[in-house]
Amino acid sequence: DAGITQSPRYKITETGRQVTLMCHQTWSHSYMFWYRQDLGHGLRLIYYSAAADITDKGEVPDGYVVSRSKTENFPLTLESATRSQTSVYFCASSESGGGDKVGVFGPGTRLTVL
Amino acid sequence: GNSVTQMEGPVTLSEEAFLTINCTYTATGYPSLFWYVQYPGEGLQLLLKATKADDKGSNKGFEATYRKETTSFHLEKGSVQVSDSAVYFCALTRSNDYKLSFGAGTTVTVRA
Repeated sequence: DAGITQSPRYKITETGRQVTLMCHQTWSHSYMFWYRQDLGHGLRLIYYSAAADITDKGEVPDGYVVSRSKTENFPLTLESATRSQTSVYFCASSESGGGDKVGVFGPGTRLTVL
Repeated sequence: GNSVTQMEGPVTLSEEAFLTINCTYTATGYPSLFWYVQYPGEGLQLLLKATKADDKGSNKGFEATYRKETTSFHLEKGSVQVSDSAVYFCALTRSNDYKLSFGAGTTVTVRA
């Protein structure tokens, strides 16, 4: 089925552990994004990618690492998780640039860091 | 930089009531404006959009008009249903950019 999937949907981890959140899209969209959603802040952009092997920082990149070796996958890694990274993480993809090319969002991953 | 300000919630309404959620923005140039909806337990879905001044976006009975003179994009629905209970986000992108800037979100609860 075409779409954008995220895994896991729920994750509980401990401070200091490494965690990787997966994102997979089947449309071959060029652009992919990671956002975090926190109460009172809406969604904030963590990292984005314009194509395979091209990534760039967003608004809140500290503590996160991304890679994009294949167009369809865009994993987000927390190298050493902190409590402040407890959040809901959304992956999105978009077919091209331009202000009216709207992103499609995945269902989200709820991450809790104890 | 770009920013979006939404009215704070939560908003609680009765069925068939009129809903307005205010949204104002700050951006250089001519941004595109969006409303996204997030139903409980789900990801964000595009509700409607407008790409230039005076455009009206509409979908599922919701409407919003791009007002450049007041830098606003208020969301309205004339008669809400219980199924409209969700979190609504206003967002923008600049015309030469593809990254979305979001407002904080407004939680709407509609009671039968």
